Amino acid sequence: EAGVTQSPTHLIKTRGQQATLRCSPISGHTSVYWYQQALGLGLQFLLWYDEGEERNRGNFPPRFSGRQFPNYSSELNVNALELEDSALYLCASSWDRGQYGYTFGSGTRLTVV
Amino acid sequence: SQKIEQNSEALNIQEGKTATLTCNYTNYSPAYLQWYRQDPGRGPVFLLLIRENEKEKRKERLKVTFDTTLKQSLFHITASQPADSATYLCALDGRGGGADGLTFGKGTHLIIQP
Repeated sequence: EAGVTQSPTHLIKTRGQQATLRCSPISGHTSVYWYQQALGLGLQFLLWYDEGEERNRGNFPPRFSGRQFPNYSSELNVNALELEDSALYLCASSWDRGQYGYTFGSGTRLTVV
Repeated sequence: SQKIEQNSEALNIQEGKTATLTCNYTNYSPAYLQWYRQDPGRGPVFLLLIRENEKEKRKERLKVTFDTTLKQSLFHITASQPADSATYLCALDGRGGGADGLTFGKGTHLIIQP
């Protein structure tokens, strides 16, 4: 069974640009969660999508947005990039809303220069 | 504010011994507590989940305890091996439905010395 896949693995952008990150959950998982892991900080909850809808978001500005497609894959968009957006962005999926844990992808390393 | 604390210092353990990692939390009443392993540059890997009404959970060489009165979880790895070296993350799921995502501690870096 394929795990959670994320693309690209690495992304380098200039300040002010937009970044798009992609995630494919495990087959059968309808919930997708996005997290940011900046250097020296713990994982911070960004967004939760379930059944195609945004269900909740963490304490991040509106320039962090995304969507979930009918096949449950998801996209995270970060607009007007700032240097402090440089981080590892992780996607996780679950079924039954995480009652049995979450499966994470390997992440996208975003570097803003 | 809600806070999760894990040993910030690296934990060095001799191979074959039991490693014990601590997770303390404040201002939180989690429905579930989870432990993950993270290797450098990789995503976390789920290890164990324990519910608020459970005291202990085991899986092979791993054991987790959960004391909601002390607001503390202990994570044990018995017969530790160098391959167990990694960062271990404690995470809380407040309402049990994933609605608020998981709140993670910063992790404890475990080093198993051969």
